[in-house]
Amino acid sequence: GEDVEQSLFLSVREGDSSVINCTYTDSSSTYLYWYKQEPGAGLQLLTYIFSNMDMKQDQRLTVLLNKKDKHLSLRIADTQTGDSAIYFCAETGAGNMLTFGGGTRLMVKP
Amino acid sequence: DVKVTQSSRYLVKRTGEKVFLECVQDMDHENMFWYRQDPGLGLRLIYFSYDVKMKEKGDIPEGYSVSREKKERFSLILESASTNQTSMYLCASSYQGGAFFGQGTRLTVV
Repeated sequence: GEDVEQSLFLSVREGDSSVINCTYTDSSSTYLYWYKQEPGAGLQLLTYIFSNMDMKQDQRLTVLLNKKDKHLSLRIADTQTGDSAIYFCAETGAGNMLTFGGGTRLMVKP
Repeated sequence: DVKVTQSSRYLVKRTGEKVFLECVQDMDHENMFWYRQDPGLGLRLIYFSYDVKMKEKGDIPEGYSVSREKKERFSLILESASTNQTSMYLCASSYQGGAFFGQGTRLTVV
């Protein structure tokens, strides 16, 4: 079946940039997403990118998509302590079904 | 704003009880999902529904059933709760631009 993989953990200092990476296997993916989950909360949709785009910028967030390598990344500029959370990438293939990665825990040190 | 509301934040039930988890969305989305989230296992899809009265099994449907009698409401049913169903349960509704999640229900089965 389809697979979405992420590294488990990333630690950065406040003010630095964070880059969270994700790889996926489904070549028919139409949309790719980044979600943020703070402790004890549900998932919040941060941003998404259509599969025919290679970059999308939204304030401090930049999403890069390399469709050839099936690689998605989320860059957070000027990372703040409030950005500490688990970040999930997800993709939709046939049938609009979402497949999630295991999540990357971002820790921002002051 | 899109709203996905789960009926309870926290539930404690006894082994063998029948448990209903309710989810309501207000955006007329056709697709709705139930996931469970466990440490180290990420998000796993239990069931999803793409229309009223339509349902499909996800990755881990055993021990669960669902009901979608109205478009806005998707219920997850644990026919006979067991301790291995202690988990965080997340409901989502989606369109092509992304899925929106409820706040989650933390279910403990004792």
